[in-house]
Amino acid sequence: DAGITQSPRHKVTETGTPVTLRCHQTENHRYMYWYRQDPGHGLRLIHYSYGVKDTDKGEVSDGYSVSRSKTEDFLLTLESATSSQTSVYFCAIRGPGQDAYEQYFGPGTRLTVT
Amino acid sequence: AQTVTQSQPEMSVQEAETVTLSCTYDTSENNYYLFWYKQPPSRQMILVIRQEAYKQQNATENRFSVNFQKAAKSFSLKISDSQLGDTAMYFCAFMNYNDYKLSFGAGTTVTVRA
Repeated sequence: DAGITQSPRHKVTETGTPVTLRCHQTENHRYMYWYRQDPGHGLRLIHYSYGVKDTDKGEVSDGYSVSRSKTEDFLLTLESATSSQTSVYFCAIRGPGQDAYEQYFGPGTRLTVT
Repeated sequence: AQTVTQSQPEMSVQEAETVTLSCTYDTSENNYYLFWYKQPPSRQMILVIRQEAYKQQNATENRFSVNFQKAAKSFSLKISDSQLGDTAMYFCAFMNYNDYKLSFGAGTTVTVRA
């Protein structure tokens, strides 16, 4: 258990509304990631963070923004949700020390945009 | 993002039998890491096994082992003595050395029959 929680775990929202998903970790990990999971695509990286206020884009960043004002929290925001953003969203952290090449995932958030 | 291909969308295996999942990847790099993740119906992503590209010896973790063929860019997972709890989706993933970002395949759903 890498001490990662995600909130909310499930959310249904309407097209055009803003949505923020939260990832919280308790073990002071520097690197945090947001992925989305869709059938036929596996998981794809949206954004990642390598420290407080240090973030960068991943493979599918269009329509998403992130913020990290504290080490423990990494927020993913959909400014104006679209149906194509219906997905399962996973947060992950990079392991410490000799596990630096391993990532540990949160429980996921299922988002439905109607 | 690197291309990771899992050509078997679904596989079925009898309890106590062996099943092998295939994975190929595309890279021009020499140093990288390969992973297999398991996602049971609970949706939790669980790291099964890791292989460093510079190691010739294939990784093993209890009933799980890999066949890493670097020249062929192939990384298969063998599950021996399959158990009902192995029923899950399995994802192959790639990470470049010092990149710390994962690229996933589309996944293979494994069903273990009693």
